[in-house]
Amino acid sequence: EDQVTQSPEALRLQEGESSSLNCSYTVSGLRGLFWYRQDPGKGPEFLFTLYSAGEEKEKERLKATLTKKESFLHITAPKPEDSATYLCAVTTSGTYKYIFGTGTRLKVLA
Amino acid sequence: DTGVSQDPRHKITKRGQNVTFRCDPISEHNRLYWYRQTLGQGPEFLTYFQNEAQLEKSRLLSDRFSAERPKGSFSTLEIQRTEQGDSAMYLCASSLGGRNTEAFFGQGTRLTVV
Repeated sequence: EDQVTQSPEALRLQEGESSSLNCSYTVSGLRGLFWYRQDPGKGPEFLFTLYSAGEEKEKERLKATLTKKESFLHITAPKPEDSATYLCAVTTSGTYKYIFGTGTRLKVLA
Repeated sequence: DTGVSQDPRHKITKRGQNVTFRCDPISEHNRLYWYRQTLGQGPEFLTYFQNEAQLEKSRLLSDRFSAERPKGSFSTLEIQRTEQGDSAMYLCASSLGGRNTEAFFGQGTRLTVV
């Protein structure tokens, strides 16, 4: 069964303290891996798509990377406004549904 | 067009009542998805459409849930005989299709069954 696991479940960082979030996946054939940001009470906001191992994408303080088994979301010098839940999702061959992990709740303290 | 629109944003209903939610996708997107999310969990897949065709439904989805997408435009999700366990955020998303498969989500409909 296709599965996505995110770690840690929750993370508290001081402002400026860089860290990484992990998304590991076990799927029959990866079509794409997606990162989303979700604020409380709102729908997920699209951040990145990664398609193949070795691919990297960057946006402001965020950088996403992909290997054959996992993806990392690196947050460099985070600010309090980066506090949110970060969700990872995959699509696999034979379907276009997104399979989500349970997310990492990030809190950045000023 | 500013994104995926969902209506209503909040719904409180009594157990046993039927409810219907509406989703208007981004206009040029041909795939439309419904997800359900409870507190502390990731979105759970319910169903998706390619244009007007419903291509996949979750095996875990109760027969009380039904979705439609007439003419491949907006979609509705109906829950019949609601139960307290149906309380959740119902999310709609749409995507272009093809290789550009990132989905864009609406703000969700928060359902509370009392």
